[in-house]
Amino acid sequence: TQLLEQSPQFLSIQEGENLTVYCNSSSVFSSLQWYRQEPGEGPVLLVTVVTGGEVKKLKRLTFQFGDARKDSSLHITAAQPGDTGLYLCAGSWTGANNLFFGTGTRLTVIP
Amino acid sequence: NAGVTQTPKFRVLKTGQSMTLLCAQDMNHEYMYWYRQDPGMGLRLIHYSVGEGTTAKGEVPDGYNVSRLKKQNFLLGLESAAPSQTSVYFCASNYRGAEKLFFGSGTQLSVL
Repeated sequence: TQLLEQSPQFLSIQEGENLTVYCNSSSVFSSLQWYRQEPGEGPVLLVTVVTGGEVKKLKRLTFQFGDARKDSSLHITAAQPGDTGLYLCAGSWTGANNLFFGTGTRLTVIP
Repeated sequence: NAGVTQTPKFRVLKTGQSMTLLCAQDMNHEYMYWYRQDPGMGLRLIHYSVGEGTTAKGEVPDGYNVSRLKKQNFLLGLESAAPSQTSVYFCASNYRGAEKLFFGSGTQLSVL
């Protein structure tokens, strides 16, 4: 059973366009993390959100945690080729010893 | 700092062969994890450890064994490899379970 569903699974856009990817679950999470993974490398943490409704910005990336802490979104403004990669969300419950990862969104930004 | 180091980076096995993947971290992390990554499936947890001498099962533990004899090392073993175990394997570590994970660069395993 996949606890975290991400959409879309694949996304190909032109440089300069905006995009949003989604991470949804039927479970309530105590915190949620977003990672980016480049080919041949392990995922690298972008951000952690812990409060329902929280919004965090990282340059052109905006992350939001849903009010009910069951979903999250990642919005990229004016995408650049360097944003290309696999974006993974990961959630945890209070007291959990591990994170559960989403299915991933593979983003390609075409110059 | 090297961070999290996995060896080997690539391996090809025949069905039924055994092998061990080694993960080493130099950040004094208590928790260590083994994940597998398959297309469209994200990362799935195989086994994890909350400290030296401890191990626990994750989501997909069948066919794998692990050991954490030293705090800095976490070994993943396949006793009798099957084609379904063809995947990319990632080791990760952190101070506590729900905190930032530090990943190695992965091992591409093919079982023929």
